Amino acid sequence: EAQVTQNPRYLITVTGKKLTVTCSQNMNHEYMSWYRQDPGLGLRQIYYSMNVEVTDKGDVPEGYKVSRKEKRNFPLILESPSPNQTSLYFCASKNRGWSGYTFGSGTRLTVV
Amino acid sequence: EDKVVQSPLSLVVHEGDTVTLNCSYEVTNFRSLLWYKQEKKAPTFLFMLTSSGIEKKSGRLSSILDKKELFSILNITATQTGDSAIYLCAVVIGNAGNMLTFGGGTRLMVKP
Repeated sequence: EAQVTQNPRYLITVTGKKLTVTCSQNMNHEYMSWYRQDPGLGLRQIYYSMNVEVTDKGDVPEGYKVSRKEKRNFPLILESPSPNQTSLYFCASKNRGWSGYTFGSGTRLTVV
Repeated sequence: EDKVVQSPLSLVVHEGDTVTLNCSYEVTNFRSLLWYKQEKKAPTFLFMLTSSGIEKKSGRLSSILDKKELFSILNITATQTGDSAIYLCAVVIGNAGNMLTFGGGTRLMVKP
């Protein structure tokens, strides 16, 4: 089944403790992206990648890192999480062109 | 600054009603407009619109784009409780088509 898989689905962590949210897609998509969704603010792009080893900042990159060492994987790294990064995170992938992204099921992160 | 605005913010209707959801945009380098439905998890793709005046239709859902007035509408006829969701509008911008700007969403609740 074609899909984007994120892990974990839920995560509660403490301020300052490094964490990684994994994302993998099996559709051979070139583009991958991370979004966060907050009430009243909608979905905002954190980082995107247009190919292996090619990443760029989205609208809200502060406090996040990404890497794209393989085409299928695009992990999101929070080196020192803070409470304002409590949010619902989505990984997404797509082909080139103007079509939409396919989204993963989301990771609900709480930083206390 | 690129902006996508959806209205209304929320809507409560009864089964069988027809609803119209609105999406207006002000962006540079418009490529396409997308509609997504989000229930409890990941947004799922509904429509992609690139040309003005051409209606896209899928069952009871339809959508149209006006590139002159910079808006799109999503119509749902004969609503059912299963249509209850957040409906998201997103605009694809940029030459590469990798960046999406989302509106804040319209929360639709359909009562029996």
